[in-house]
Amino acid sequence: GEDVEQSLFLSVREGDSSVINCTYTDSSSTYLYWYKQEPGAGLQLLTYIFSNMDMKQDQRLTVLLNKKDKHLSLRIADTQTGDSAIYFCASLGGGSYIPTFGRGTSLIVHP
Amino acid sequence: DAGITQSPRHKVTETGTPVTLRCHQTENHRYMYWYRQDPGHGLRLIHYSYGVKDTDKGEVSDGYSVSRSKTEDFLLTLESATSSQTSVYFCAISVDRGTGANVLTFGAGSRLTVL
Repeated sequence: GEDVEQSLFLSVREGDSSVINCTYTDSSSTYLYWYKQEPGAGLQLLTYIFSNMDMKQDQRLTVLLNKKDKHLSLRIADTQTGDSAIYFCASLGGGSYIPTFGRGTSLIVHP
Repeated sequence: DAGITQSPRHKVTETGTPVTLRCHQTENHRYMYWYRQDPGHGLRLIHYSYGVKDTDKGEVSDGYSVSRSKTEDFLLTLESATSSQTSVYFCAISVDRGTGANVLTFGAGSRLTVL
C-alpha cells in the first residue's frame, strides 16, 4: 500500500532555518499536506500543495515538491521556539478521501 | 471554521469494560474519521464514515466498532477495553477547500487509559 516516510527528529537553533523532509510512494498522489501538532492538541493544517506545483510559499513556510523523486520538504525560515511541535506529512490520491500520514517529525528548537 | 468536539477528553477505565467516545461536528461534512496516536506509530486510521450509516474499516479496526446515526455524530466503541487500547484518539472531518483539496480538521483528542 501507500507509504509516507519522515525522519523522526530534528533539532535546530532559534533563528536558523528548519527543513523537514518527506518521501511518499503513491505516484497518484494529487495533494500533499503538512500538518502541525502542538503538545496536547490535535493536528492543524499548515499548508498543502497540488501535485502540479513544485513550490509554494506562505510567509515563513516554503514547500518544495519533487514529483519525479516523490519528495516533499517543508522549510521554516527564522525558526522560533513556538515552532517546536510534531510535523506530519500526508498524501492524498485523486478522488480519495483517505490520506496517508507519515509518522511525524518532532522539531525541537533550542534558544 | 468547522467545529468539531470530542468527549470525553480524558477517561480512565478498567480492562474488560465498554467505552464509547463521541465526536460531534457542527456542520454537515460527509466524511468523518477516527484515528489513534501512539508513540512510534504516528496516526493510524481505525474507522471512517462517508455518510449516515455508511462506515468502513481502517488499518487498525480490530476491537473497535463505530456508528453514525446522524450526520453530526460519529461514535467509537470499544466493546471490551484492553490495555493495548490505551492511546490518544482523534476524530477528524474532511473539509473541501473548494480547490479540490480535502483537508482534515481534527478534534482536540480523547486520552484513554485502560488499567
